[in-house]
Amino acid sequence: ETGVTQTPRHLVMGMTNKKSLKCEQHLGHNAMYWYKQSAKKPLELMFVYNFKEQTENNSVPSRFSPECPNSSHLFLHLHTLQPEDSALYLCASSQDLLGANQPQHFGDGTRLSIL
Amino acid sequence: AQSVTQPDIHITVSEGASLELRCNYSYGATPYLFWYVQSPGQGLQLLLKYFSGDTLVQGIKGFEAEFKRSQSSFNLRKPSVHWSDAAEYFCAVGAENGANNLFFGTGTRLTVIP
Repeated sequence: ETGVTQTPRHLVMGMTNKKSLKCEQHLGHNAMYWYKQSAKKPLELMFVYNFKEQTENNSVPSRFSPECPNSSHLFLHLHTLQPEDSALYLCASSQDLLGANQPQHFGDGTRLSIL
Repeated sequence: AQSVTQPDIHITVSEGASLELRCNYSYGATPYLFWYVQSPGQGLQLLLKYFSGDTLVQGIKGFEAEFKRSQSSFNLRKPSVHWSDAAEYFCAVGAENGANNLFFGTGTRLTVIP
């Protein structure tokens, strides 16, 4: 139990579908992150939120749309995805933005497959 | 720019043998260094971290890592590997200045044979 819960664990969708990934953290943290993990590639940071405000968007295509309604919840809305978007999407949280003694805590991820 | 290199894609060791996973980083200032482990179907779990002070840091599950500034390395070690240690291991470097990016290596997959 990491304190970061992601749902669903697995998602299969067509390229024309719209779906959302959900992340919830029970750690009282203020910063939340979305990462993409593809085979044989380093984790790619997608988005960062601090106190519900987006502080980082690493040139992510607009077919990925994040939403952070409060410091405990983070969503990733998906629409018209491409096959290369198939990956494991990891959510993480930290007390605040990375700094001294503030490691990130990860959820178990959502395995996304695009047909 | 920060970067992390894990030169070994896959390592196989016998149960009970010692283990060392290599990590080299590139960063101009004082780095924050992390090792994470990922078991199949799960997210990343923090094993240990280095921010400052003693260059030999102890982590969970009997792991330790040593920061060597002269070699830009932060290798992970364990004196006796257990079958449950089979997983993927990621080294990461973070910025000292509070920036919110962690830079990860591509990972090393550890196989443990009986």
